[in-house]
Amino acid sequence: GAVVSQHPSWVICKSGTSVKIECRSLDFQATTMFWYRQFPKQSLMLMATSNEGSKATYEQGVEKDKFLINHASLTLSTLTVTSAHPEDSSFYICSASRGATSETQYFGPGTRLLVL
Amino acid sequence: GQSLEQPSEVTAVEGAIVQINCTYQTSGFYGLSWYQQHDGGAPTFLSYNGLDGLEETGRFSSFLSRSDSYGYLLLQELQMKDSASYFCAVRGFGDSNYQLIWGAGTKLIIKP
Repeated sequence: GAVVSQHPSWVICKSGTSVKIECRSLDFQATTMFWYRQFPKQSLMLMATSNEGSKATYEQGVEKDKFLINHASLTLSTLTVTSAHPEDSSFYICSASRGATSETQYFGPGTRLLVL
Repeated sequence: GQSLEQPSEVTAVEGAIVQINCTYQTSGFYGLSWYQQHDGGAPTFLSYNGLDGLEETGRFSSFLSRSDSYGYLLLQELQMKDSASYFCAVRGFGDSNYQLIWGAGTKLIIKP
């Protein structure tokens, strides 16, 4: 199987601070990584798609200056929530696929962010 | 717009069979996937249908009819651990790239 890790699993921070979440594919090279957020009892909302070595593609309504994504290598992507506010509190999940057209996405365990 | 429709909740009895339907309307279609998500956890991949027909993986089967824009996930010999949310997702073409378009999820409640 393919393993994707996320760190940290839990974050509690004060309003106005920035939080960085790491997503790593541990045993395969991920050409494409996806970042989702999920509110309780709701579906996954795709925030952005990142391809290694290029700029991320953000979904409509997602502020690229607020949610900074860096896909520096084939095994690591980071999401930085800048100047976090309580409304940014959510479950953030990354997934990785072996290629842009791969039918399977492998999900990380998710990061719960609570902004006070 | 792009959308996937699936029931919000299904209830079944342990040991029984349950079917979760999914209809879709998307820009481009490159396959239908099913994911399972337990409360508090991340989604895990269950199955993929790229062509019409039935795919079987143990107690779980998934079916696709592209002409009807319809698929379903069939769970047999239900166990309590199958209580979870099940999402159908279509691999389609978004604004600028391939992406999974997600249904809202079906919460499966299993009673003893």
